[in-house]
Amino acid sequence: QVQLVESGGGVVQPGRSLRLSCAASGFTFSIYGMHWVRQAPGRGLEWVALIWYDGSNKYYADSVKGRFTISRDNSKNTLYLQMNSLRAEDTAVYYCARDYYDSGNYYEGLFDYWGQGTLVTVSS
Amino acid sequence: DIVMTQSPVSLAVSLGERATINCKSSQSVLYSSNNKNYLAWYQKKPGQPPKLLIYWASTRESGVPDRFSGSGSGTDFTLTISSLQAEDVAVYYCQQYYSTPYTFGQGTKLEIK
Repeated sequence: QVQLVESGGGVVQPGRSLRLSCAASGFTFSIYGMHWVRQAPGRGLEWVALIWYDGSNKYYADSVKGRFTISRDNSKNTLYLQMNSLRAEDTAVYYCARDYYDSGNYYEGLFDYWGQGTLVTVSS
Repeated sequence: DIVMTQSPVSLAVSLGERATINCKSSQSVLYSSNNKNYLAWYQKKPGQPPKLLIYWASTRESGVPDRFSGSGSGTDFTLTISSLQAEDVAVYYCQQYYSTPYTFGQGTKLEIK
């Protein structure tokens, strides 16, 4: 069955860096676009970043552009999010999510499977 | 960016009664070339990831009970739960996948009256 397992969250001081990982299993990771989506405490869902199946294109929310980098290693079935210059407002549960696939078509930005999330707390 | 606005922010409905949640986008999410609305609904329970309920505004995801239905086109959409069950208590989000940045509504908290 499809599984997405995030790791790497924790408590970090403002201005420092953290790298999140998302280990994928149960599907052919290398043919799916992948995303990071976050939810700050008591807040709604916010899309963070997208990477195409082959890593050739990446897109970011304005709130993280220039600070966060999404990447993937298809040989390891793993998605990453490198987070630099962290701010208090980056405190959130970070989810990885997969693009929807149906009948030979991929629908970018429609999320059919999500991980359980990993909590990032930015605090001094 | 496409702004998604949901109403109401919170809703209390009796068991077995109908629940209706509205979602409005700041611009149309109807793609003219395929006549599809790039609008999804998710259910979010505490401690769990979001669960996809509805996509293309009205297509129910596999395994989702048929008491959940979606409607609307262009900029105005509705999620309806025809007969509320206890397990439907959650926060519901609409989301557009028409263009990046993909954006969500602020959420509607559904409770039992």
